[in-house]
Amino acid sequence: DSGVTQTPKHLITATGQRVTLRCSPRSGDLSVYWYQQSLDQGLQFLIQYYNGEERAKGNILERFSAQQFPDLHSELNLSSLELGDSALYFCASSVTLVAGGSEQFFGPGTRLTVL
Amino acid sequence: KNQVEQSPQSLIILEGKNCTLQCNYTVSPFSNLRWYKQDTGRGPVSLTIMTFSENTKSNGRYTATLDADTKQSSLHITASQLSDSASYICVVRAGGSYIPTFGRGTSLIVHP
Repeated sequence: DSGVTQTPKHLITATGQRVTLRCSPRSGDLSVYWYQQSLDQGLQFLIQYYNGEERAKGNILERFSAQQFPDLHSELNLSSLELGDSALYFCASSVTLVAGGSEQFFGPGTRLTVL
Repeated sequence: KNQVEQSPQSLIILEGKNCTLQCNYTVSPFSNLRWYKQDTGRGPVSLTIMTFSENTKSNGRYTATLDADTKQSSLHITASQLSDSASYICVVRAGGSYIPTFGRGTSLIVHP
């Protein structure tokens, strides 16, 4: 158990709908990352928040948005869903290492199926 | 463009055997390299992390090496166990960037 929690575990919805995925980071971690992992793709970085502020943006579609709240939990909103959005969505939080850099701890993921 | 290439794409070995997974990267400037283990349907778990000055890092039966000159890393698994069956992902971060570059992983299957 990494200490990062994600809800829901599974989500089945229809095309055109909107869903919200939720992530609670490990206690004390200020950074939250969101990733998408499709069957035929590796992990794709979507977006990072640090202490409530957006820090880095990756391959995130305009239909997707995220935010980090004052209590540091984060939500990823996916709208106008398409079949191709079906994937595992992971959240990770990170701690700064003494030697520099940071280590990410991943949550168990939310499996989204768009029908 | 920053890229991370892993080989082989998949590997099947017998329990108890050793194996080596490869990672080549073009990420520059280099900051650090991580190897993750991802069980099917679960989140990745960090195995090792190495910075520029480190060329070997061990974690139990897992040993990672890094050659920053040739931009290559390897993950050696000793005396494989059935529980080693998973995807192994190489991740490289560039200096000054918060965005990691992920390889597509090597799928390892260990047969009894």
